[in-house]
Amino acid sequence: DAKTTQPPSMDCAEGRAANLPCNHSTISGNEYVYWYRQIHSQGPQYIIHGLKNNETNEMASLIITEDRKSSTLILPHATLRDTAVYYCIVRGTGTASKLTFGTGTRLQVTL
Amino acid sequence: EAGVVQSPRYKIIEKKQPVAFWCNPISGHNTLYWYRQNLGQGPELLIRYENEEAVDDSQLPKDRFSAERLKGVDSTLKIQPAELGDSAVYLCASSSTVRFETQYFGPGTRLLVL
Repeated sequence: DAKTTQPPSMDCAEGRAANLPCNHSTISGNEYVYWYRQIHSQGPQYIIHGLKNNETNEMASLIITEDRKSSTLILPHATLRDTAVYYCIVRGTGTASKLTFGTGTRLQVTL
Repeated sequence: EAGVVQSPRYKIIEKKQPVAFWCNPISGHNTLYWYRQNLGQGPELLIRYENEEAVDDSQLPKDRFSAERLKGVDSTLKIQPAELGDSAVYLCASSSTVRFETQYFGPGTRLLVL
């Protein structure tokens, strides 16, 4: 699976949009981009995933560049409860494909 | 819907002692995972089960770690004997065959080996 690069930390004011970048320049054509987050003392939580089209759900939006070498997770109106470590993961298809977590981006939402 | 249940939440033991962690996945989820998360790092997969069969245990340190998933539901991860370097959070996750892309994680067991 392709490796991802994320900034170690970011800050965001409550109520503002949080834009978390991820680079995955070696992604191959059949690999998906996944985002999970981990709030302190909890297990990781699935947020969203996509292949090449932009995706949106009740939690976030995922914007994938046309060349698929990078993506951005957008939390449209960040709240204090969104403070967490966010993991960007590239994963192949099928049940045998693994979730390989890096060190993620620590997002701190402040008042 | 109940989430993934793990117990105990915390465990403190002395080195060379055995320890066991228990996981009850979400009802109907055929796939079960055990991960280990060291401080400041992301989780690392130890073993994956499809029903009662361990289909990927390549990252499980087999000299001291063992796991089982009897009847394809609950699972137990054991360490014997524990070493200082085993201090970590042990996470269990499950997923369904239909929506395999989404893994649901439990809260984890925090192990401290003294």
